[in-house]
Amino acid sequence: SQKIEQNSEALNIQEGKTATLTCNYTNYSPAYLQWYRQDPGRGPVFLLLIRENEKEKRKERLKVTFDTTLKQSLFHITASQPADSATYLCAPVRNFNKFYFGSGTKLNVKP
Amino acid sequence: DAGVIQSPRHEVTEMGQEVTLRCKPISGHNSLFWYRQTMMRGLELLIYFNNNVPIDDSGMPEDRFSAKMPNASFSTLKIQPSEPRDSAVYFCASGGAADEQFFGPGTRLTVL
Repeated sequence: SQKIEQNSEALNIQEGKTATLTCNYTNYSPAYLQWYRQDPGRGPVFLLLIRENEKEKRKERLKVTFDTTLKQSLFHITASQPADSATYLCAPVRNFNKFYFGSGTKLNVKP
Repeated sequence: DAGVIQSPRHEVTEMGQEVTLRCKPISGHNSLFWYRQTMMRGLELLIYFNNNVPIDDSGMPEDRFSAKMPNASFSTLKIQPSEPRDSAVYFCASGGAADEQFFGPGTRLTVL
């Protein structure tokens, strides 16, 4: 069965540095991959989508890469700010009716 | 737009009682998803509707769970009878043509 792995340990970084989060998946081939942000007590919020034929996608301070050979996506936040502190979830998607989310990585950006 | 609306925001009930969670998706969206989130299992997809029709309910844990979408602006998730292991945050999300999902604020369910 499909498996999605995100680092369960919190990532602690200093303000201004680049945060890099990892999403690994096994046993299926997603057509695209999404990243969401979730703050405590709130629902996930969509950030970026990258398709299988795209290597990289950028949006402001965010950058996502998608390596279908390694079965991995990297999510980067440059010039990180304390307001970026949240849990980040990835969702590799094969079929629109089969959404599986990773368990998320908690990011702590310290001032 | 008010976004996805869920009610109630919090529900505390006793084992054996019926629980009904409600969702109003974003107007114009034709997809609706129900999720359950717990610390142990993360975010799990329960059921997916497209144009008010249930497309995939393979994530519904057991027959105690049922979901309906009588029209494009309303959906319910019912648990009958509820059990303590059903305690979780239940999210509703809607989606349009762009493949992204918009989540509601969630309903925190506690079954005693």
